[in-house]
Amino acid sequence: GENVEQHPSTLSVQEGDSAVIKCTYSDSASNYFPWYKQELGKRPQLIIDIRSNVGEKKDQRIAVTLNKTAKHFSLHITETQPEDSAVYFCAASKDTGNQFYFGTGTSLTVIP
Amino acid sequence: NAGVMQNPRHLVRRRGQEARLRCSPMKGHSHVYWYRQLPEEGLKFMVYLQKENIIDESGMPKERFSAEFPKEGPSILRIQQVVRGDSAAYFCASSQWGYYGYTFGSGTRLTVV
Repeated sequence: GENVEQHPSTLSVQEGDSAVIKCTYSDSASNYFPWYKQELGKRPQLIIDIRSNVGEKKDQRIAVTLNKTAKHFSLHITETQPEDSAVYFCAASKDTGNQFYFGTGTSLTVIP
Repeated sequence: NAGVMQNPRHLVRRRGQEARLRCSPMKGHSHVYWYRQLPEEGLKFMVYLQKENIIDESGMPKERFSAEFPKEGPSILRIQQVVRGDSAAYFCASSQWGYYGYTFGSGTRLTVV
């Protein structure tokens, strides 16, 4: 089955700096890669996703890049703000209706 | 649209009791997924259901756990004879047919004492 690894497990940045979280996956058939943000005690919320036919996607301060050859994808958050502090999960999926394989999460702290 | 509704939000059970967790998908969503999140860990897939069908239960423990999504009513995740190791947050997600993305519910936090 698919194996998704996520690094780092914790990340602290100064407000205004950038944060980068990286994930690798093992199954070359995976073709959908969402990123979820989970605040303490709350539900995971989709913040951005990318399909395998695209190399990069951007939404305001958040961007995701995908390297299919190397089987890795990354989340980039620019101009970080304290409200970006949360746990971020990457995931991989093979097709619609299939389960998501989640990474173990990155706890991001933005220091004011 | 009320989103994915899970109840109860918190559930406390004594060892050996049964836990029933409910999930109502978003309107128009026909796919339901259950995930378990242990403290400070990621989300682990348990089961994928459509109405009256279990599509993939590869993540379900072989014993004590069962799930259903009847023609009418919410999806139910049932845990019989709970043990301390079942304490976790259980999240339900739903999606539309043919779509990749999920919407998660707020979760049920099960505590076994």
